Parts: sequence; C-alpha cells; structure tokens
Amino acid sequence: EAQVTQNPRYLITVTGKKLTVTCSQNMNHEYMSWYRQDPGLGLRQIYYSMNVEVTDKGDVPEGYKVSRKEKRNFPLILESPSPNQTSLYFCASRAVDSSGNTIYFGEGSWLTVV
Amino acid sequence: QQQVKQSPQSLIVQKGGISIINCAYENTAFDYFPWYQQFPGKGPALLIAIRPDVSEKKEGRFTISFNKSAKQFSLHIMDSQPGDSATYFCAASIGGGSGYSTLTFGKGTMLLVSP
Repeated sequence: EAQVTQNPRYLITVTGKKLTVTCSQNMNHEYMSWYRQDPGLGLRQIYYSMNVEVTDKGDVPEGYKVSRKEKRNFPLILESPSPNQTSLYFCASRAVDSSGNTIYFGEGSWLTVV
Repeated sequence: QQQVKQSPQSLIVQKGGISIINCAYENTAFDYFPWYQQFPGKGPALLIAIRPDVSEKKEGRFTISFNKSAKQFSLHIMDSQPGDSATYFCAASIGGGSGYSTLTFGKGTMLLVSP
C-alpha cells in the first residue's frame, strides 16, 4: 500500500527543546515536501526536496531544517521550537515523471510548543 | 502575494444541494489545477484535477469548471451528502503538476453538509 508515514502524530514540547518529525514514503518518489496547516492560512510549504541531497526553501522555512540523505526519508527538524510553530504538519511526496502529478500526504503531525 | 484565492472560507449546504467552491489565480503560467479533499484527522487527498485545454471535467458528483479568460476555476458537488463534509483545497502548478513544479494551494473551504 502506498504510504507516507509521519511520526510522531501528536507531540507537546517546550520552547527551545530540539525535536525531529520523521517522514518516510514507500513509493520511491523523488519529490518530498513539508507543509504546515494553520486555520485561515491553508497549506503552506516549508521545505521541499527534488531528490537525495537536494533541498530548497518553500514559503515559510524560518525556524526549520530538513535533510534528505535517503530517498525514502525526509525529516523535519525544529532546532529551537517556539510557540508560533504550534501547528499541524504534513509530509508529502510524489514522483517527478509524467505520472507524478498526484501528491500523497501523510496523516499529519500535531505539534504544540508551550 | 497569494497566487490562488479561494472562497468561501466556509460553506453549509443541505443534503441534496449543490456545493460550489471558487478559486481564482493570477499566474497565467499555471497549467494544472487539482482539488484536494481533507477529512478531519487525515491528510489531503487528490479529488479531481483539470488542465486548461478543457472547460469542464466531471467525475461522479464532482465537477470542475474552468474559465481560462477569467483565470477562475470552481468545484461543484452535486447532490451533496453528509459524507462530503470536509475541507477542500484548490491548487495550481506549472508543468502539468509533474516534474519539479510546486503546488500552490488556496486557503481552503470547510464544507458542512447538514442532514
């Protein structure tokens, strides 16, 4: 079954405590990305990756880091979380060939920073 | 600057009615317009998509209408059902949605279909 798996699904953390949200896909997709979803603001892209070792900033990259050391994994790193990073986060992936215009989303990670 | 404007922000429709969600875009280079459906507690999932060489695409009760000259497209849900209650996102991208293009999403519409 095609899947994008994120962990943790729910997390409450404190300001400044580094955390990583993992993302893994089993579809051999080249393209992976992270979004955050906030009420009234919709889905905003944080970072994306075209392939291994290739990453680029999206619309709201401040306060986040990513890495793409393997094709299947794309972790999102919050080095020093702040309350304004409280949000619902989605990892997504798709292929880059002509069949790849469907984005597959994970089920989301609820993050609360207190 | 928001490139894809979606309205309304929320919508309540009676069961059996027609739900209509509208989107407008600015970038004439966009050539792929998908709609994503998101149920509570789930990630968005592709619902239906259209390219600008056609003015309408229908899949079951869901229809996309596309007006290239007005740079607008809309989602129509016929015979709306309580199970259609979800958040709907329109989006747009360049390059047919594949390759290395990035999707630009609208802000979403929360649809509630009352029984």
